[in-house]
Amino acid sequence: QQQVKQSPQSLIVQKGGIPIINCAYENTAFDYFPWYQQFPGKGPALLIAIRPDVSEKKEGRFTISFNKSAKQFSLHIMDSQPGDSATYFCAARTGNQFYFGTGTSLTVIP
Amino acid sequence: ETGVTQSPTHLIKTRGQQVTLRCSSQSGHNTVSWYQQALGQGPQFIFQYYREEENGRGNFPPRFSGLQFPNYSSELNVNALELDDSALYLCASSGGGTGNTEAFFGQGTRLTVV
Repeated sequence: QQQVKQSPQSLIVQKGGIPIINCAYENTAFDYFPWYQQFPGKGPALLIAIRPDVSEKKEGRFTISFNKSAKQFSLHIMDSQPGDSATYFCAARTGNQFYFGTGTSLTVIP
Repeated sequence: ETGVTQSPTHLIKTRGQQVTLRCSSQSGHNTVSWYQQALGQGPQFIFQYYREEENGRGNFPPRFSGLQFPNYSSELNVNALELDDSALYLCASSGGGTGNTEAFFGQGTRLTVV
C-alpha cells in the first residue's frame, strides 16, 4: 500500500518552464513533508520541506504548496534549468519513519 | 555533501550469502535509518537506530538486522540473500531521536545479488 502517491511519473519541460510535481496522502498523522532530489548513482538530497500548519514555503527557485484539507502538496520549480534534471521524491513523516512517493523523473530541455 | 558516508559503494553477492553494509552518520547525529531503494522506486524504510537501540522497523523480514555503535555509526546485515534484495541501500542520519525532522542521506550502497 503506497502511503504517499506521487504524479506524474515523468515530466519534460523547456528551460525556464515551471514543472509541478504533485503528491497526495491519507494518513493524518503525517507531520512533516520533505522533498528530495536524486541524481543517478547518488543518494537523495533534501531540497525543501514543510509542516502542515503552513500553506506555502519558498526557498530560492523551489516552492512547496500545501493543502491540508485536501491532503495534497506539490513542488514547483521556477525558471527550471537543465541542471535540475533529476528524480524528485516527495515524502511524509510520522513518528520516526519517512514514507516516500515513487518519484518523478524530470528532464529540462535546454 | 551531507557528511553521511556509506561503504562499500558497490557490491556483488551470490544468492544465499550474507552481506554487511556500513554507515557513518553526520557529526552530531545520533539516529540512523536504513532504506532499500529498488530500481525506479522510492526508498522503503527498513529500520532505525537511536542511541544503539532499534527504534522502529518497516515491513522487512528478520534476516535484515542492524547494529549501531557508541560513535553512532551503523551496520545493516542481510542474511540468506535473495535475488530481490538487489537494490540501492541508503543510510540516513538525523539528530534528536524520535520526532527529529531532517534526514540526510549517504550516497548509498548498490547491492547486486546474482
